[in-house]
Amino acid sequence: DSGVTQTPKHLITATGQRVTLRCSPRSGDLSVYWYQQSLDQGLQFLIQYYNGEERAKGNILERFSAQQFPDLHSELNLSSLELGDSALYFCASSVLSVDGELFFGEGSRLTVL
Amino acid sequence: QQQVKQSPQSLIVQKGGISIINCAYENTAFDYFPWYQQFPGKGPALLIAIRPDVSEKKEGRFTISFNKSAKQFSLHIMDSQPGDSATYFCAASTASKLTFGTGTRLQVTL
Repeated sequence: DSGVTQTPKHLITATGQRVTLRCSPRSGDLSVYWYQQSLDQGLQFLIQYYNGEERAKGNILERFSAQQFPDLHSELNLSSLELGDSALYFCASSVLSVDGELFFGEGSRLTVL
Repeated sequence: QQQVKQSPQSLIVQKGGISIINCAYENTAFDYFPWYQQFPGKGPALLIAIRPDVSEKKEGRFTISFNKSAKQFSLHIMDSQPGDSATYFCAASTASKLTFGTGTRLQVTL
């Protein structure tokens, strides 16, 4: 158990809909990262937050947004969903803003029908 | 742009054999090179990592070899076991971002 909690574990929705994925980092970790994992793309970095502020941005679509709250949990919002958004979404956390060891949750599997 | 190239995509090794996974990078600003192991239904977990000031790091049966001039690094799994069957990701990071390779699915057969 990495200590990172993600909900929901599975989510099935329709195209055009909006969903919110939630992540609780390990106790004491200030950085939260979101990754998208699909079969042919590996792990794609989406966005990083450090202590409530956006720190780095990767290949995150404009339809996606995220935030980190004062209690350090984070949410990833996916809107106007398309079939191609079906993937595993991982949250990871680390102590510092500088990348070192990331602790990953078990992921949220999103299926868009 | 794929900044970390990983090969092979899949690998089958007999129990007791050596598994070798290779990665190459382009960005010379990368200063930390971890390997992550992922079992089905689980998130990736750090396996072993190296910084560019050393050429090799060994932890148990797992060894990273690092060639700074060639911008390549590899993971060697000695005496591979069925329990090592998983997907392995190499990665490289700068201060702000960790970039993963596309992953290698390793199967260790009896």
